[in-house]
Amino acid sequence: EAQVTQNPRYLITVTGKKLTVTCSQNMNHEYMSWYRQDPGLGLRQIYYSMNVEVTDKGDVPEGYKVSRKEKRNFPLILESPSPNQTSLYFCASSRPGDEQFFGPGTRLTVL
Amino acid sequence: AQSVTQPDIHITVSEGASLELRCNYSYGATPYLFWYVQSPGQGLQLLLKYFSGDTLVQGIKGFEAEFKRSQSSFNLRKPSVHWSDAAEYFCAVGAPGGGADGLTFGKGTHLIIQP
Repeated sequence: EAQVTQNPRYLITVTGKKLTVTCSQNMNHEYMSWYRQDPGLGLRQIYYSMNVEVTDKGDVPEGYKVSRKEKRNFPLILESPSPNQTSLYFCASSRPGDEQFFGPGTRLTVL
Repeated sequence: AQSVTQPDIHITVSEGASLELRCNYSYGATPYLFWYVQSPGQGLQLLLKYFSGDTLVQGIKGFEAEFKRSQSSFNLRKPSVHWSDAAEYFCAVGAPGGGADGLTFGKGTHLIIQP
């Protein structure tokens, strides 16, 4: 089944404790993105990647890092999480010129 | 910069009634346009998309949308809503060619269905 998977689905952590949210797609898509969703703000893009080793900042990149060492994986790294990063995070992938497919989301709470 | 406006934060519709959700965009050329739906606790599911051609596009679950260039709009419609349509609906715009810099989303419209 074609899909985008994210892990973990739920995470509660404390301020300053490094964490990684994994994202993997099995559709051989070139493009991958990370979004965060906050009430009343919709989805905002954090980072995106056009292909392996090619990443760029989206609209709200502060406090996040990403890497794209393999085509299928695009992990999101929070090196020192803060409470304002409490949010619902979505990973997405697509082919050039096509729709984005979204993962199921990761709900992160930073205490 | 591109932007999307969904003027209605909440809309309440009776079951069986018709529905129209509004979406206006700002973009320098004709963008790619999308409607996604998010059910409570779920991810985003694509309802329909417009890339080019016929300005009336059909989607899943009986939804359709019409692209009106002169009004910079891409409103979503359904002739008769069902209780299962209660969800959050997002309009999104992307660069032609599906740029890797992803989509710009509206803030969403929360649809409530009255019995």
